[in-house]
Amino acid sequence: NAGVTQTPKFQVLKTGQSMTLQCAQDMNHEYMSWYRQDPGMGLRLIHYSVGAGITDQGEVPNGYNVSRSTTEDFPLRLLSAAPSQTSVYFCASSRRFGSGANVLTFGAGSRLTVL
Amino acid sequence: AQSVAQPEDQVNVAEGNPLTVKCTYSVSGNPYLFWYVQYPNRGLQFLLKYITGDNLVKGSYGFEAEFNKSQTSFHLKKPSALVSDSALYFCAVRPRSGGGADGLTFGKGTHLIIQP
Repeated sequence: NAGVTQTPKFQVLKTGQSMTLQCAQDMNHEYMSWYRQDPGMGLRLIHYSVGAGITDQGEVPNGYNVSRSTTEDFPLRLLSAAPSQTSVYFCASSRRFGSGANVLTFGAGSRLTVL
Repeated sequence: AQSVAQPEDQVNVAEGNPLTVKCTYSVSGNPYLFWYVQYPNRGLQFLLKYITGDNLVKGSYGFEAEFNKSQTSFHLKKPSALVSDSALYFCAVRPRSGGGADGLTFGKGTHLIIQP
């Protein structure tokens, strides 16, 4: 059971380039989300999804796009990378939408540097 | 909007001594409260959560947390620290309203350093 798998682990981009961070889970979790972690700021929610075909914005959605075509996958797209998007990105999923007590399972993270 | 405060950037404790990592929160109504731990170059791992009932919650690796409604706090504790407890600890909150669709709101994190 792999849990939440993120690729790539490391990526360097130039300003203006686009890329996609991949996230896949094999736990049949309905809820999936993307966070970014910046020093001294904790984790901030970018986008989330409560099921296939349903996505919504979190606290810091600007510059990012998501889609959820399957239960398993939740890719995060950077449309035109900016240095302010240099961060560590975490994908997380949980079992059930409808209970606020659900525990998130996190991926290992993707470290992105934008030059 | 909800918020979480972890007032200490770093906590230093000698091995074998008790440890406390502080967390206070602001949210309307009664919240769900969580503690997560992050080891270097790893994702976050769940430690424990408060849902309802007993104010003292026991979790993984000997950790526990005390929910105090009047002080809106959820401090993480362990009676005897181990060097292997050294990590970054996050407190998080989610309001009961919203059906769980909202993400967790995290504190900024506290570095816990256990000295041999």
